[in-house]
Amino acid sequence: GAVVSQHPSRVICKSGTSVKIECRSLDFQATTMFWYRQFPKKSLMLMATSNEGSKATYEQGVEKDKFLINHASLTLSTLTVTSAHPEDSSFYICSARIGGLNEQFFGPGTRLTVL
Amino acid sequence: AQTVTQSQPEMSVQEAETVTLSCTYDTSESDYYLFWYKQPPSRQMILVIRQEAYKQQNATENRFSVNFQKAAKSFSLKISDSQLGDAAMYFCALLPRGSRLTFGEGTQLTVNP
Repeated sequence: GAVVSQHPSRVICKSGTSVKIECRSLDFQATTMFWYRQFPKKSLMLMATSNEGSKATYEQGVEKDKFLINHASLTLSTLTVTSAHPEDSSFYICSARIGGLNEQFFGPGTRLTVL
Repeated sequence: AQTVTQSQPEMSVQEAETVTLSCTYDTSESDYYLFWYKQPPSRQMILVIRQEAYKQQNATENRFSVNFQKAAKSFSLKISDSQLGDAAMYFCALLPRGSRLTFGEGTQLTVNP
């Protein structure tokens, strides 16, 4: 149980285009989802927290207009990188939490490469 | 604010031997959870072990055990009988109840055959 999927696992896009990454909780309802960014050999950096049906809360320094997060249902959250640039290339990981449970379940990550 | 510190960027161990990864943390909360996650080359985050702060007994999962020293705010991970598959980046993490995870910087573990 407690499986989180992400799609796509890898994406390559041209500079200036937008990319959408999906995060799904497959066998549970996630009241809260988290989006992280990870650079090689570094720790996970929290980008934003989203609760189902409400606007995401972004961490300081994260551009909300660039990284659009939607959490429209209890099993799906999406991260859209708008007008992507090479510096947005990174590994993006989503995580989901069941309400009342003190544990987060992680997706397998998405490697974004912007040319 | 919460902080998690892993002072060992890299560690190595011989196969079949024991290694201990260090972690210290700081929080003003009294109700929290501590975790060790493993991130192998696939980069999937895998939960290794968790500890509830209110429990005095150290958590154990097969070859993995922790030394939880609440007063010292220390939470080290011991891996016994190390295997090649244990090679990975290990992250210590703190989760105050109702809040969000704070990760340490990670320790890259190499297992030598």
